[in-house]
Amino acid sequence: GAGVSQSPSNKVTEKGKDVELRCDPISGHTALYWYRQSLGQGLEFLIYFQGNSAPDKSGLPSDRFSAERTGGSVSTLTIQRTQQEDSAVYLCASSSDRVSYTFGSGTRLTVV
Amino acid sequence: GESVGLHLPTLSVQEGDNSIINCAYSNSASDYFIWYKQESGKGPQFIIDIRSNMDKRQGQRVTVLLNKTVKHLSLQIAATQPGDSAVYFCAELRGTSYGKLTFGQGTILTVHP
Repeated sequence: GAGVSQSPSNKVTEKGKDVELRCDPISGHTALYWYRQSLGQGLEFLIYFQGNSAPDKSGLPSDRFSAERTGGSVSTLTIQRTQQEDSAVYLCASSSDRVSYTFGSGTRLTVV
Repeated sequence: GESVGLHLPTLSVQEGDNSIINCAYSNSASDYFIWYKQESGKGPQFIIDIRSNMDKRQGQRVTVLLNKTVKHLSLQIAATQPGDSAVYFCAELRGTSYGKLTFGQGTILTVHP
């Protein structure tokens, strides 16, 4: 597609459940990033993938968070045993160079 | 005007005025600085970037100024329009390869017709 696609756009889940968030990057973009944005806040880096290199997981807040990128394309961010503090908008971005990130519209996660 | 504290800084302007949005950064090793615009319900959208070896760069209706001495970045929007109303974030990029952006807090710009 022409842009970065994220699904679902909204997700409401019960505390303690696992959730999976999906990101379809722009075709040909070798780098893929996940960020988290809490209400009224800036973006917090979570993880990024670059080509076949090991992902940089330094921003993941706990071991309940994990992500994978299959075939150098689609990525899934998984949150296990969700907590209320996990409620946020999860944004995915992809890029073909160091600077020009294209963001998706995000998945709004609400943990009740 | 602007507010500080627990809330995002805000800037209100009249349509047609020029807007200046400011950002302080922390890491003198950052080599790229980028401005993003985020409208409600959307992801951030790239506006303009500047390398650390420059002090000014102009785009269409926007100018970014970089003052490395005081670690300050600003975005100037000329002839501000209601469609410019959004949250504006500065971001810095470090390292010589692909890396992760570090975002500032954001500023809410409201343009009144």
